[in-house]
Amino acid sequence: GQNIDQPTEMTATEGAIVQINCTYQTSGFNGLFWYQQHAGEAPTFLSYNVLDGLEEKGRFSSFLSRSKGYSYLLLKELQMKDSASYLCAVSSSSGGSYIPTFGRGTSLIVHP
Amino acid sequence: GAGVSQSPRYKVAKRGQDVALRCDPISGHVSLFWYQQALGQGPEFLTYFQNEAQLDKSGLPSDRFFAERPEGSVSTLKIQRTQQEDSAVYLCASSTRQGDTEAFFGQGTRLTVV
Repeated sequence: GQNIDQPTEMTATEGAIVQINCTYQTSGFNGLFWYQQHAGEAPTFLSYNVLDGLEEKGRFSSFLSRSKGYSYLLLKELQMKDSASYLCAVSSSSGGSYIPTFGRGTSLIVHP
Repeated sequence: GAGVSQSPRYKVAKRGQDVALRCDPISGHVSLFWYQQALGQGPEFLTYFQNEAQLDKSGLPSDRFFAERPEGSVSTLKIQRTQQEDSAVYLCASSTRQGDTEAFFGQGTRLTVV
């Protein structure tokens, strides 16, 4: 089985920086995804890390440490529209297939 | 269409009724996943197809749940004798390969069992 842990809720101020952490325990690790999900909408892809280190993409960056079973999503210059749920998902092998397993999500509230 | 399409968007079923949820993946996508998402929770894996082959169904909660993808494109998730605990959003996602590439999600079907 897998265990993926991320905070339930975070709040931050518009224009600030926020870091959302994700820890996981799994076997057959094959990468870690971050998705954004606005209320009532489909999850949308943000990033994928398979090697250790930091991946930067505009205002969003994602970091992975495989030895520590740890990742974070860094959001800079926060905007009100960034208020959403952020889902950490670990891809691991299951009978020869690679299945993304999601955490419960972190609800981010950005206030003025 | 350009994205993953699911129908219906909303479904209200009486307890004990059978339902069928449809997913049209992005054309050419080999992999197709079904997830169940309860309010305030992350998506929970149900089943995975590679083309027409159902390679993993370990997440299906009971034998009342059945999924198929007979021609390797459109998929249907069927729930027999629905129960109140089946109320959730059912998400379908497709990707070009197995779970090491970006998955594109549909808008989901919100199922309410009354």
